[in-house]
Amino acid sequence: QAVVTQEPSLTVSPGGTVTLTCGSSTGAVTSGHYPYWFQQKPGQAPRTLIYDTSNKHSWTPARFSGSLLGGKAALTLSGAQPEDEAEYYCFLCYDSTWVFGGGTKLTVL
Amino acid sequence: QVQLVQSGAEVKKPGASVKVSCKASGYTFTGYYIHWVRQAPGQGLEWMGWINANSGGTNCAQKFQGRVTMTRDTAISTAYMDLSSLRSDDTAVYYCARDHGWGYWGQGTLVTVSS
Repeated sequence: QAVVTQEPSLTVSPGGTVTLTCGSSTGAVTSGHYPYWFQQKPGQAPRTLIYDTSNKHSWTPARFSGSLLGGKAALTLSGAQPEDEAEYYCFLCYDSTWVFGGGTKLTVL
Repeated sequence: QVQLVQSGAEVKKPGASVKVSCKASGYTFTGYYIHWVRQAPGQGLEWMGWINANSGGTNCAQKFQGRVTMTRDTAISTAYMDLSSLRSDDTAVYYCARDHGWGYWGQGTLVTVSS
């Protein structure tokens, strides 16, 4: 089974910009992996921010964006807010099976 | 509005089975897949598998093959995930989620495996 890798933790200043990345043990992440990004706060169910690399839901704040960057999927947060402090999970598709990354704990400080 | 409502918390003994339900409303149940995800206490998310709510076809992570059964009842728009031979490390919150954007998740079902 493929392994999906994320930074274990990142810190961003309020108002700052940070990029979370998502790599694959099988090689470059492409749009064919249909990258997803989920946000999870303590005690809550995950919430989907980005699907299919860069698509947003109606509830996704405009400050979040998804892309492919240097062979990885990327989630960029521009203008971080205190409420963005959370765990972020990447999720990739491999021929009808799916694998989560280990998550990135984002601190806004 | 789209909703996925899961069954309540369960406490099971090692070796037993658990069946979690996920009742869908607000959309055409057979038009989407339902995925199952779990999260052990203090741990990350783990994908378990999916069921095609139309055909009933399934696919699951290799880790769960032989232990997980996913079914659905289209008459009542409900998907089920049955996990057998429970162990203490199966203690987790189990979620269902709707495919195509994963915009809708169930509220989660805590399954505790303890002797």
